[in-house]
Amino acid sequence: GDSVTQMEGPVTLSEEAFLTINCTYTATGYPSLFWYVQYPGEGLQLLLKATKADDKGSNKGFEATYRKETTSFHLEKGSVQVSDSAVYFCALRRQAGTALIFGKGTTLSVSS
Amino acid sequence: DTGVSQNPRHKITKRGQNVTFRCDPISEHNRLYWYRQTLGQGPEFLTYFQNEAQLEKSRLLSDRFSAERPKGSFSTLEIQRTEQGDSAMYLCASSLRTSVEQYFGPGTRLTVT
Repeated sequence: GDSVTQMEGPVTLSEEAFLTINCTYTATGYPSLFWYVQYPGEGLQLLLKATKADDKGSNKGFEATYRKETTSFHLEKGSVQVSDSAVYFCALRRQAGTALIFGKGTTLSVSS
Repeated sequence: DTGVSQNPRHKITKRGQNVTFRCDPISEHNRLYWYRQTLGQGPEFLTYFQNEAQLEKSRLLSDRFSAERPKGSFSTLEIQRTEQGDSAMYLCASSLRTSVEQYFGPGTRLTVT
């Protein structure tokens, strides 16, 4: 079945370091891809999305590119801040579906 | 736009009791979704409504679970005869029918003792 695999955490970085969180997916056709972020004690917030191959989603300095050939949607940020500490979830929505399928989440901890 | 709201935020109940959660979606959104999230896992889809019609249910939604959206606005999720395995965060999300983006509420954390 369709699935999302994320790199295991936690990821621990110093402020201003470069961030990459890997995400790969298994799905037929052309799913839509998402990154959600969950700050401590809060609900999921949509961070960025891409709906077709080679699309780049971006928001708040974060970017991810939809790579059909490698079935990947890796999250990157050039310079992380302490306030970026959170759990990040990669998700997909099937081409003809409605429900989101999530990865297990990756915890990011940024220290000053 | 007040976002998706859920009540209560926390619920502690004894095994065997019934519980009901409420979700109020973003006002113009005609789709409403329920997910369950256990510790250390990503959310898992339970069911969704388009207006008042429940169009899809996952295999996770056992017979003890029932969801309604009677007037196409707010929704309720009821769990009957709760079990310890039902302890989780229950998340509600909403969207426009024409959009892939789903917006989540803060969740209801259920603890079954």
